[in-house]
Amino acid sequence: DSGVTQTPKHLITATGQRVTLRCSPRSGDLSVYWYQQSLDQGLQFLIQYYNGEERAKGNILERFSAQQFPDLHSELNLSSLELGDSALYFCASNRGVGTGELFFGEGSRLTVL
Amino acid sequence: GENVEQHPSTLSVQEGDSAVIKCTYSDSASNYFPWYKQELGKRPQLIIDIRSNVGEKKDQRIAVTLNKTAKHFSLHITETQPEDSAVYFCAATNNNDMRFGAGTRLTVKP
Repeated sequence: DSGVTQTPKHLITATGQRVTLRCSPRSGDLSVYWYQQSLDQGLQFLIQYYNGEERAKGNILERFSAQQFPDLHSELNLSSLELGDSALYFCASNRGVGTGELFFGEGSRLTVL
Repeated sequence: GENVEQHPSTLSVQEGDSAVIKCTYSDSASNYFPWYKQELGKRPQLIIDIRSNVGEKKDQRIAVTLNKTAKHFSLHITETQPEDSAVYFCAATNNNDMRFGAGTRLTVKP
């Protein structure tokens, strides 16, 4: 158990819909990262937050948005869903800038039908 | 941003042989280079890492080497075992976002 909690574990929805994925980082971790992993693909960096502020942005679509709340949990919002958005979405956390190892949650598997 | 390339994409070895996976990175400011192992259906987990002030690090059967001048780093697994079969990802970070390579699917045949 990494200490990073993601909900829901599985989600099935239809094209055009909107979903919210939630992540609670390890206790004491200030940084949260979101990654998308499509079937048999790599880990595509989406966005990083540090202590409530956006720190870095990767290949995140405009239909996607995220935020980190004062209690440090984070949410990833995916809207106008398309079939190609079906993937495993990982959240990871670490203590903060320059602190090394990322601890990954179990992921949220999104299926868009 | 940082761009990490990883080779090969698949690697098949006989049990007991060595396996080597190579990565290159683009951002000379990157200073931390971890390797993650992802088993089927599981989350990625760190197996070894190296910082830019070190050229080599070893932990039992696994080792990582870093060449800052050439901007490449490698994972070496010796005496491979069937349980080493997984997807391995390299990554690089300059204290901000952490970018991953595309992954190497390692198969160790008994």
